[in-house]
Amino acid sequence: NAGVTQTPKFQVLKTGQSMTLQCAQDMNHNSMYWYRQDPGMGLRLIYYSASEGTTDKGEVPNGYNVSRLNKREFSLRLESAAPSQTSVYFCASRWGALETQYFGPGTRLLVL
Amino acid sequence: GIQVEQSPPDLILQEGANSTLRCNFSDSVNNLQWFHQNPWGQLINLFYIPSGTKQNGRLSATTVATERYSLLYISSSQTTDSGVYFCAVDMRFGAGTRLTVKP
Repeated sequence: NAGVTQTPKFQVLKTGQSMTLQCAQDMNHNSMYWYRQDPGMGLRLIYYSASEGTTDKGEVPNGYNVSRLNKREFSLRLESAAPSQTSVYFCASRWGALETQYFGPGTRLLVL
Repeated sequence: GIQVEQSPPDLILQEGANSTLRCNFSDSVNNLQWFHQNPWGQLINLFYIPSGTKQNGRLSATTVATERYSLLYISSSQTTDSGVYFCAVDMRFGAGTRLTVKP
């Protein structure tokens, strides 16, 4: 099992450009999550999907959109990137709300 | 929303020493996890522990949900224990404890 995979590993964007971060899990988990981690800080929840077909805002959703493509895949889209979105983005998944959460390796995004 | 506070923010130990990391939270908890973020940025699950006590080798954790805190114990620390330890409560992360273990 690969667990949680994320692509790309690293990306540089110019202000105003758009991009989609991809996340996939092969553990048959119901719930998937997107977090961002800024230097010296803990992770903050951007969006989550409690089950296939549902998405909900987290703590910092502004400037992002998500799509739960199917049970395995959960993508995060930046429509018009801003320097404030420079961060490391982590995807996570788990079976249910009372279960262990597993994280992907992260995507480092730099917006110039 | 729920507030999660971790202490201490930084901890420096000599190899072989023991340590206790604390996580306080402001409301009743449905789930609580401890993670280790290694120097390469990878987040590693340590414990899923909304209540009670668990042990895994040199690490153990205790959560007292009624008093709204959790403790992570590291015994006989090794240099590979260095990194940042996070407590996460219901999708809300604390700011972490940065642990440095010196040889």
